[in-house]
Amino acid sequence: ETGVTQSPTHLIKTRGQQVTLRCSSQSGHNTVSWYQQALGQGPQFIFQYYREEENGRGNFPPRFSGLQFPNYSSELNVNALELDDSALYLCASSPPGGRNEQYFGPGTRLTVT
Amino acid sequence: GNSVTQMEGPVTLSEEAFLTINCTYTATGYPSLFWYVQYPGEGLQLLLKATKADDKGSNKGFEATYRKETTSFHLEKGSVQVSDSAVYFCVLLSGNTPLVFGKGTRLSVIA
Repeated sequence: ETGVTQSPTHLIKTRGQQVTLRCSSQSGHNTVSWYQQALGQGPQFIFQYYREEENGRGNFPPRFSGLQFPNYSSELNVNALELDDSALYLCASSPPGGRNEQYFGPGTRLTVT
Repeated sequence: GNSVTQMEGPVTLSEEAFLTINCTYTATGYPSLFWYVQYPGEGLQLLLKATKADDKGSNKGFEATYRKETTSFHLEKGSVQVSDSAVYFCVLLSGNTPLVFGKGTRLSVIA
């Protein structure tokens, strides 16, 4: 069984640019959540996708947006990058009816210069 | 709102020492509580969980008991190993809200 995978592993962008991060959920999982983990901090919830619709959002501005595809994979898009967007971005998937169970990917390390 | 407070690290222990990482929470309703672990270069992994008061979660020698009267969920292990070196997160889930993470405690175990 393949776990949650994320790509790319590392990314360096310049302030003002746009970035797309990708996540493949674990087989059979239909809910995907995205988190931002700043250095030395715990992950902060960005948003969650279920059945291709946003299903809850944390305290992040609209320039953070996402998509979920019919195969339950997901993208996180960030526009107009700021220096403070530098962080580890984590994706987690959950099985049907398993909101208590979140399985995390290894993350994408984004550096904004 | 819901929140988690865990002891700040880093914590450095010798192999076979006893480990306690304190965690207290604030939540409305009856939350579920978790400990997640993040090994160097890897994603977060669920270590253990407890879904109601007085439940004890356990895994890989780690234990934590859900104490409603003290709103605590302290992580303990009787004898740590070098391979336990990681960052540990206390996490809360309540109602329809998303997971709420503590800031994490870095543990280093030296041989």
